Amino acid sequence: GDSVTQMEGPVTLSEEAFLTINCTYTATGYPSLFWYVQYPGEGLQLLLKATKADDKGSNKGFEATYRKETTSFHLEKGSVQVSDSAVYFCALFTGNQFYFGTGTSLTVIP
Amino acid sequence: EAGVVQSPRYKIIEKKQPVAFWCNPISGHNTLYWYLQNLGQGPELLIRYENEEAVDDSQLPKDRFSAERLKGVDSTLKIQPAELGDSAVYLCASSPKSGSGSYEQYFGPGTRLTVT
Repeated sequence: GDSVTQMEGPVTLSEEAFLTINCTYTATGYPSLFWYVQYPGEGLQLLLKATKADDKGSNKGFEATYRKETTSFHLEKGSVQVSDSAVYFCALFTGNQFYFGTGTSLTVIP
Repeated sequence: EAGVVQSPRYKIIEKKQPVAFWCNPISGHNTLYWYLQNLGQGPELLIRYENEEAVDDSQLPKDRFSAERLKGVDSTLKIQPAELGDSAVYLCASSPKSGSGSYEQYFGPGTRLTVT
């Protein structure tokens, strides 16, 4: 069935370090792909999205490219800040339903 | 623009008691979702509404869970009776349109349920 697998955390980085959170998916057809972020005590917020192969989603310095050949949508940021500390969820939308990964907790230390 | 509103934010009940959660979606959003989020996990869909119609409730445990969206706006999710394993965060989300392609959900802050 359709599913999302993302790298397990927690991830701890120093401020200004490079971030990669891996996400791979299994789906039939051509899903849309998303990254959501969840700050403590809050609901999920859309961070970025890509709707077709080779699309690059970007927002707030974060980027992810929809790679159909590797069924991946890895999240990257060149220089993380303390305020980026949160849980990040990869998700896919098949046209009928969303599937979420288990989340990756990121802590950025000064 | 107001976001998705959920209440209560926290609820503690004893097992076998009933509990209800309320959600008011963003104005004009036709699609409403209820999700269950266990600790350390991603959201799992319970039910999806298009206006007042439940179009996907295949993951809703219907022996104890029920939901309604009578006027196609706000919605209530109920558990009766609650079990210890129901302790989780219940998330509501809404979306302005359904179908394939770009499809963004807006989430509320969730209701954290603790069953003792």
